Amino acid sequence: GQQVMQIPQYQHVQEGEDFTTYCNSSTTLSNIQWYKQRPGGHPVFLIQLVKSGEVKKQKRLTFQFGEAKKNSSLHITATQTTDVGTYFCAGGIGGGSEKLVFGKGMKLTVNP
Amino acid sequence: NAGVTQTPKFQVLKTGQSMTLQCAQDMNHEYMSWYRQDPGMGLRLIHYSVGAGITDQGEVPNGYNVSRSTTEDFPLRLLSAAPSQTSVYFCACSYEGAGGETQYFGPGTRLLVL
Repeated sequence: GQQVMQIPQYQHVQEGEDFTTYCNSSTTLSNIQWYKQRPGGHPVFLIQLVKSGEVKKQKRLTFQFGEAKKNSSLHITATQTTDVGTYFCAGGIGGGSEKLVFGKGMKLTVNP
Repeated sequence: NAGVTQTPKFQVLKTGQSMTLQCAQDMNHEYMSWYRQDPGMGLRLIHYSVGAGITDQGEVPNGYNVSRSTTEDFPLRLLSAAPSQTSVYFCACSYEGAGGETQYFGPGTRLLVL
């Protein structure tokens, strides 16, 4: 079936560092969504990308959707301890876009 | 406006017991879905509904039943609990199909099956 792969699964950074995490799909997606889940919490929507090559920014977070609509990236600059959590990408599949396929997540820890 | 609510927050069951996880939303969203989250597995879709009276299977539907008699409620029933169903269950809703719309998640139900 359709799969959405996230790499890396774990990321440990020093506070202030930049890093990028990636999301790859085996099939073309109608859109890509990113969620953040704090420890013990529930996933919270961050952003949605729909257009090929789209780039969106939220403060220190930059999201990109690939030209082929099969991959996406999340870049965080100047990481802070408040960024700690698990980041999930989720791709819309099917003509009716009724389903989201989630990646397994990227767990971020930050060394202050 | 409570958003998405789930009850109970925690539950311990014995193998073979049945129970219903409740999910309610006051956002008047047509689309609702159930996910389970296991360590290292991300979120996997169990069942979803595109509107009252309409349900369909997701990726991991076995052992679970759903119904959607109203727009607001989407209960998940475990027919005969098994240890493999130990997980965190999240209900979510969106205005339209999940693939194209923001998903709003409930706080989750943590289930332990002994």
